[in-house]
Amino acid sequence: TQLLEQSPQFLSIQEGENLTVYCNSSSVFSSLQWYRQEPGEGPVLLVTVVTGGEVKKLKRLTFQFGDARKDSSLHITAAQTGDTGLYLCAGATDSNYQLIWGAGTKLIIKP
Amino acid sequence: GAVVSQHPSRVICKSGTSVKIECRSLDFQATTMFWYRQFPKQSLMLMATSNEGSKATYEQGVEKDKFLINHASLTLSTLTVTSAHPEDSSFYICSARQTGGLSSYNSPLHFGNGTRLTVT
Repeated sequence: TQLLEQSPQFLSIQEGENLTVYCNSSSVFSSLQWYRQEPGEGPVLLVTVVTGGEVKKLKRLTFQFGDARKDSSLHITAAQTGDTGLYLCAGATDSNYQLIWGAGTKLIIKP
Repeated sequence: GAVVSQHPSRVICKSGTSVKIECRSLDFQATTMFWYRQFPKQSLMLMATSNEGSKATYEQGVEKDKFLINHASLTLSTLTVTSAHPEDSSFYICSARQTGGLSSYNSPLHFGNGTRLTVT
């Protein structure tokens, strides 16, 4: 069974601080997707990383895919209250049409 | 971008009744749609994979006779919660992946906005 361990599950920090969310697995993924979900809404795709070692930036968010394509991280610089939400990572494999989901990270940014 | 419309967004029903939730891909075709259940502050739990023109594939522990899925066209899948009970109260979300493309497995999912079901 493929697993994707996401940590931390909950994070509450002050506005302006930096944070990193991790997703780790013993399995290799063909790509890894990061989603953000607000209460009462469906998840929205932030980024897809495909190549081992790839780094993608989305304003203050930096996404990295591990060299071996088994892990990924999301780093937020100078967090803002608008970053509050549930962040989900999901791994895709070439052998399974379904995504493997992480447990999610509930992020709260306090003003 | 691709849009998935889910309806209704909220529904309250009495115990024993059935509720139908619709998931539509508005500007793309989706041979496969996914139905999830989500508990507060938790990740998505895949319930079933809905395949156009064929039977849905249910995850272990999900009762197919209770959660009826119909995927009659390339743009519409429905989930019917039959004989609903209070423990079925949850947030149900559908998603769809655009058909085709060079690497479908890596294509992102497009999600509906979810349906909050409350069974009284």
